[in-house]
Amino acid sequence: SQTIHQWPATLVQPVGSPLSLECTVEGTSNPNLYWYRQAAGRGLQLLFYSVGIGQISSEVPQNLSASRPQDRQFILSSKKLLLSDSGFYLCAWSASGSTEAFFGQGTRLTVV
Amino acid sequence: KQEVTQIPAALSVPEGENLVLNCSFTDSAIYNLQWFRQDPGKGLTSLLLIQSSQREQTSGRLNASLDKSSGRSTLYIAASQPGDSATYLCAVYGGSQGNLIFGKGTKLSVKP
Repeated sequence: SQTIHQWPATLVQPVGSPLSLECTVEGTSNPNLYWYRQAAGRGLQLLFYSVGIGQISSEVPQNLSASRPQDRQFILSSKKLLLSDSGFYLCAWSASGSTEAFFGQGTRLTVV
Repeated sequence: KQEVTQIPAALSVPEGENLVLNCSFTDSAIYNLQWFRQDPGKGLTSLLLIQSSQREQTSGRLNASLDKSSGRSTLYIAASQPGDSATYLCAVYGGSQGNLIFGKGTKLSVKP
C-alpha cells in the first residue's frame, strides 16, 4: 500500500533562517506531488505541485521554493524565513492520471 | 475562479444524531469532489471521492452526494459518535486549474 511521510512534525525557526521540509511517498511510482499551506481561519492554499522529477509549478509567488530531486521525494525550502511563513504545511500525492489526493500528517512551522 | 463554501462553519450535536454537512461550489465544471476529515494538528484523511458522473458514494456511516448542476454536495453522517468530532473539508478538482480547491471546513463536535 502507499504511504506518505512528512517531517518534521513541528518546527520553530527564527526569522531569516533557512527552511527545508521533506516529503516522501512509498508504494507508488511517478506520483503527482503537492505542497499546501493551511493558515488559521483560511482554507488550504496550493503552493507547488510536481508531475515529475525536476518539474515544479508554483501557484503563488512567495518566499518559498520546491524541488523534486527523486521520483518520490518533494522538498519545500526557503533561504530566509519571514514571520508570515508560519503555518501548517501539508504534503500530498495523487497517482499519475488520478485526481484523488492523499495527505501527509503535516508540519507545524512557527517563525519567531 | 472556483470558490468552495462550507456551511455551517461549526456544528455541535449530541451523540446518536444524524447530521448533514454542506458544500457548495461556484463553477460546475468539476472532475470530482473529495471529502476529507482533519483532526486537530493533523493531516487530512480522505473520506470519499465522488466523480463528476456519480451522484453519491457511501462508506460505512458516511454518505456523500453530488449535484453538479446546482454546485452542491452534502456529507451525511449517520448515528454520530464522539469519535466523529473533527473538521470536515470538501474540495473540488477542476481540470483547468490543475489542483484541488478547498472550502474552509466545518468543525463538528459530537457530545457524549
